[in-house]
Amino acid sequence: NAGVTQTPKFRVLKTGQSMTLLCAQDMNHEYMYWYRQDPGMGLRLIHYSVGEGTTAKGEVPDGYNVSRLKKQNFLLGLESAAPSQTSVYFCASRSGANVLTFGAGSRLTVL
Amino acid sequence: KNQVEQSPQSLIILEGKNCTLQCNYTVSPFSNLRWYKQDTGRGPVSLTIMTFSENTKSNGRYTATLDADTKQSSLHITASQLSDSASYICVVTTYSGAGSYQLTFGKGTKLSVIP
Repeated sequence: NAGVTQTPKFRVLKTGQSMTLLCAQDMNHEYMYWYRQDPGMGLRLIHYSVGEGTTAKGEVPDGYNVSRLKKQNFLLGLESAAPSQTSVYFCASRSGANVLTFGAGSRLTVL
Repeated sequence: KNQVEQSPQSLIILEGKNCTLQCNYTVSPFSNLRWYKQDTGRGPVSLTIMTFSENTKSNGRYTATLDADTKQSSLHITASQLSDSASYICVVTTYSGAGSYQLTFGKGTKLSVIP
């Protein structure tokens, strides 16, 4: 049982480049989330999904897009990366009010 | 606005000592409160969950308390070990109706246990 898997774990981009972070969960969870974590800021919600085919904006959605074409996958896209998007990104999933299960994180650096 | 405040921001203690981390929240309506442990370079992992009717819950050397009247929770760590060095995050869940839940995160307390 892998839980929540994020790929890639590390990535360096130049300003203006695009990329996609992939999150996969094998727990049949309905809810999936993308957070970013910056020093002194805690975890901030970027986008989330309450089920296959649905997405919604979180606290800091600007500059990001998401898609949930399959229940087990939640993709986070950066169309034109900016240095302000340098961060550690965490994907999480849950079912109902149960515990959030987090991935190991993806460290993104934008030069 | 729903808020979760944690204190202290950081804490350094000697191995073997006890410590208490605080979490105050202004979230309503309250569904549950969880404490997560996040090791450096890893994702957060749930330590314990507190519902409205629970005052105390233990998980090994970790004991969480909840005072729903004052909207405060604490996480007490007994006989600390070097492996307790981590960030501890308080997360409060509200139920928005129609099966929808909202999670509010604290910024975490960074605990360093030194030999």
